[in-house]
Amino acid sequence: EAQVTQNPRYLITVTGKKLTVTCSQNMNHEYMSWYRQDPGLGLRQIYYSMNVEVTDKGDVPEGYKVSRKEKRNFPLILESPSPNQTSLYFCASSLSPRPRDTQYFGPGTRLTVL
Amino acid sequence: QQQVKQSPQSLIVQKGGISIINCAYENTAFDYFPWYQQFPGKGPALLIAIRPDVSEKKEGRFTISFNKSAKQFSLHIMDSQPGDSATYFCAASRAITDSWGKFQFGAGTQVVVTP
Repeated sequence: EAQVTQNPRYLITVTGKKLTVTCSQNMNHEYMSWYRQDPGLGLRQIYYSMNVEVTDKGDVPEGYKVSRKEKRNFPLILESPSPNQTSLYFCASSLSPRPRDTQYFGPGTRLTVL
Repeated sequence: QQQVKQSPQSLIVQKGGISIINCAYENTAFDYFPWYQQFPGKGPALLIAIRPDVSEKKEGRFTISFNKSAKQFSLHIMDSQPGDSATYFCAASRAITDSWGKFQFGAGTQVVVTP
């Protein structure tokens, strides 16, 4: 089944404890992206990747890191999480970076930073 | 600041009624406008999208209307059904290659369709 998977789905952590949220797609997509969803703010783009080893900042990259060493994986790293990074995170992928190529979203990761 | 402003924040409509969600944008360079539907506990899914060279696009009960001069676009859900109860997001992007990959989303509209 073609899908975007994220792990973990739920995570509660404490301030300053490094964490990684994994994202994997099995559709051989070039483009992958991370978003955070907050009430009243909608989805905001954190980072995106046009292809392997090519990443770029979205609108809210502060406090996050990403890497794209393989086409299928695009992990989101929080080196020193803070409470303002408590949010619902979505990974997405599409065949190419062209906007008209459909973005497929993962199921989301709900992160709470205490 | 949000480059795409979406309203209303929430909407209650009776079964069979019409749901209308509006979005406005500032950046005239945007040239691709998708709408996403999100059910509770799920990721957003593409519903319908429009390019600014057309004023309207219809897919089943869902229609996008686009007003380039006003920099506004809207989603109309005709004959709304309880299964349409979800959160809807508008978005905007630029199709030119140097802006590929960047998307701006609205704040979302929670639609509840009552039986």
